[in-house]
Amino acid sequence: DAEITQSPRHKITETGRQVTLACHQTWNHNNMFWYRQDLGHGLRLIHYSYGVQDTNKGEVSDGYSVSRSNTEDLPLTLESAASSQTSVYFCASSEGTGITEAFFGQGTRLTVV
Amino acid sequence: TQLLEQSPQFLSIQEGENLTVYCNSSSVFSSLQWYRQEPGEGPVLLVTVVTGGEVKKLKRLTFQFGDARKDSSLHITAAQTGDTGLYLCAGALMNRDDKIIFGKGTRLHILP
Repeated sequence: DAEITQSPRHKITETGRQVTLACHQTWNHNNMFWYRQDLGHGLRLIHYSYGVQDTNKGEVSDGYSVSRSNTEDLPLTLESAASSQTSVYFCASSEGTGITEAFFGQGTRLTVV
Repeated sequence: TQLLEQSPQFLSIQEGENLTVYCNSSSVFSSLQWYRQEPGEGPVLLVTVVTGGEVKKLKRLTFQFGDARKDSSLHITAAQTGDTGLYLCAGALMNRDDKIIFGKGTRLHILP
């Protein structure tokens, strides 16, 4: 069965370190998204991609970057982790071309100390 | 500014009761989705509504898309404890890209 997986599921890192969260999907979806989920804010879009070599900023992109070198993967990098980036991060994918149902990974809980 | 407003934010009711939660916007959406999220998991898609005025039923859950494609509702009949969870509406704006935006969610707790 097709799926979307995130790794690691939990991570603790120190302020100032670079951190990369992995996202891999086997749906062969064009669109991929990264969200962060915080109490009181819901799911907020960080970055998204519509295909290989395409990346776009979402509403809370500062301090984050992504790259899309193939269809399956969209890694999220925190350039210099800050305590404000402590959150649960979700990756999602959708088929695109107007079909917007998103399929989510199980999330990565990141703590920056 | 929150493009999708969900209400209520929290709802706690007895098993067997009926309830409705709402998702409202001043913007027009090409489609709206409802997701359910349990603790420690990612959101799981329940339904997509595409046509203005559309009604979809999923067992005890009834979803409606507003005629103007700006709002949606989720009605649960005879709630069960297994319905407990966070319900999220999401959608892509009409005539925009496939970017999916979410409401903040309604946290539903069904008491036994």
